[in-house]
Amino acid sequence: EPEVTQTPSHQVTQMGQEVILRCVPISNHLYFYWYRQILGQKVEFLVSFYNNEISEKSEIFDDQFSVERPDGSNFTLKIRSTKLEDSAMYFCASINIRESYEQYFGPGTRLTVT
Amino acid sequence: QKEVEQNSGPLSVPEGAIASLNCTYSDRGSQSFFWYRQYSGKSPELIMFIYSNGDKEDGRFTAQLNKASQYVSLLIRDSQPSDSATYLCAVYTNAGKSTFGDGTTLTVKP
Repeated sequence: EPEVTQTPSHQVTQMGQEVILRCVPISNHLYFYWYRQILGQKVEFLVSFYNNEISEKSEIFDDQFSVERPDGSNFTLKIRSTKLEDSAMYFCASINIRESYEQYFGPGTRLTVT
Repeated sequence: QKEVEQNSGPLSVPEGAIASLNCTYSDRGSQSFFWYRQYSGKSPELIMFIYSNGDKEDGRFTAQLNKASQYVSLLIRDSQPSDSATYLCAVYTNAGKSTFGDGTTLTVKP
């Protein structure tokens, strides 16, 4: 069964450093998403991406964040200058909008900023 | 008012009982509604989705949607200890944006 994959599973970085989180969505999916979940808190929408551009973004997704689909398979989230409060699980998800809005989530990347 | 509000937990039910999880949403333009299950440290796992008013059944799970009341619920019949998890309600205004509730933690006691 096809699945969304994410790398790395855990990333430790120092405050102020740039990080890139990587996702490979399901191959025939067209809409891609990034979510964040701070430990013990709710899943928060960051951004959606469709047709090679941002579709929607939340207030959390400020200038420190960017997304890119550098090739036909990868979907990345970059945080330019990490802060302590960026420590969280980051989930990628994708949907095949032609069929439904069912989102398939990746296993997540745990980002720890020290 | 929160965009998506779930009944406060934690919720505890005995094995074999019906667990009832509720969710209300504020945006009347919301189009589709999802229930996810999330185990600690894991990603959300889709259980049910519903787009139209009424009930939708899948095995032991029934989702109910009432757009007039802006209410969606999930019933779990014959609850099992393996159903113990946090249940997340997610509301999609369009394909581009989804909002999750805080989640309700369910414990099913043997």
